[in-house]
Amino acid sequence: AQSVTQLDSHVSVSEGTPVLLRCNYSSSYSPSLFWYVQHPNKGLQLLLKYTSAATLVKGINGFEAEFKKSETSFHLTKPSAHMSDAAEYFCVVSERTNAGKSTFGDGTTLTVKP
Amino acid sequence: DSGVTQTPKHLITATGQRVTLRCSPRSGDLSVYWYQQSLDQGLQFLIQYYNGEERAKGNILERFSAQQFPDLHSELNLSSLELGDSALYFCASSPQVGGLSTEAFFGQGTRLTVV
Repeated sequence: AQSVTQLDSHVSVSEGTPVLLRCNYSSSYSPSLFWYVQHPNKGLQLLLKYTSAATLVKGINGFEAEFKKSETSFHLTKPSAHMSDAAEYFCVVSERTNAGKSTFGDGTTLTVKP
Repeated sequence: DSGVTQTPKHLITATGQRVTLRCSPRSGDLSVYWYQQSLDQGLQFLIQYYNGEERAKGNILERFSAQQFPDLHSELNLSSLELGDSALYFCASSPQVGGLSTEAFFGQGTRLTVV
């Protein structure tokens, strides 16, 4: 069994300030973890993924996430927010051998203020 | 552009009707997944096909069915539609090479409205 909890349903930051989107997971096996972004009226786009290599994962658009097994966390960060980062973000856990049988978090809506 | 194509983009239909959603995966991807995104349920995994065979099942209702054809495109059939079936339905594909997990590439979705 696996589950994902995104700790904040909404996060609001000012442009140029750091972003932190929090995600905790539970899994009965070694999971793969992903962050996806969904802009309004668009499909989901992969930001980054962890699949058992380096625990600090760098993704697109300056985002990165750190896998912390002891804390069962996979928080998403970015040093400096841009207006174009405003979107909904999903943390996802999946079986290592089956990317699609995934469990999505409820999503975090990121608002970026000018 | 993810390379995954879903048609139609929008669909409006009446309760009790049946609709078919179509998905063309990325070239070479053998796995196709269907997801439902609704306001109250969030993103839910429905079903996965791998090279024509059902591989995994999630929270898919008995009124819903899917199949993957020899050319690897997939269709999701929704019947006896209810107002609560209104949602965004996503298809995703994945290469699933060597049994290792890779990310799934998502289509733009089909927005189904049941009236």
